[in-house]
Amino acid sequence: GAGVSQSPSNKVTEKGKDVELRCDPISGHTALYWYRQSLGQGLEFLIYFQGNSAPDKSGLPSDRFSAERTGGSVSTLTIQRTQQEDSAVYLCASSVTSGAPETQYFGPGTRLLVL
Amino acid sequence: AQTVTQSQPEMSVQEAETVTLSCTYDTSENNYYLFWYKQPPSRQMILVIRQEAYKQQNATENRFSVNFQKAAKSFSLKISDSQLGDTAMYFCAFMKRKNSGTYKYIFGTGTRLKVLA
Repeated sequence: GAGVSQSPSNKVTEKGKDVELRCDPISGHTALYWYRQSLGQGLEFLIYFQGNSAPDKSGLPSDRFSAERTGGSVSTLTIQRTQQEDSAVYLCASSVTSGAPETQYFGPGTRLLVL
Repeated sequence: AQTVTQSQPEMSVQEAETVTLSCTYDTSENNYYLFWYKQPPSRQMILVIRQEAYKQQNATENRFSVNFQKAAKSFSLKISDSQLGDTAMYFCAFMKRKNSGTYKYIFGTGTRLKVLA
């Protein structure tokens, strides 16, 4: 079946512009995660959606970052007034909530470059 | 707070040889999960192997196996008969279930493995 998809695969933007990154989780997966991967670093947790519960936003680095998940499926990560330090690969992952909820399935990521 | 440490930023191994990637973690939890993920140049993170902390038996998936030492908080990955396709970044990850019922994952900084022909 289809895996997690993300778009765009690459995004170049100018400092100060807003960007939107999209994630399409695996059908039926109720949990969705966003991570940021900076060069040479591990994955930094950003935000977590679980069904209809309030999202866990504890990893968002500033109020310029926000995310929403419409209809319990597609999610959009928005970065406002982008800064050069926002340049990174943004990864999305999804998982089920029963059986093996511990295992995440990742998308290919969006590479964001802020000039 | 939980931490995950991968002390080997880069490693290389000859094709068909065996290599071990190290991972240590710090937690006061008793129930948790540990994972190894592989990230090839395509950027797609792929689950390699997982281990439940309550299981004493080391997980094995074909050429991949772990040495889980709970008391020492160590979770190393052994790759046997290395293949060129194993060239990738490998991430160790820790997961626990929070009181809220949600899950918290912490990733290490990764080990870049290169398999040499």
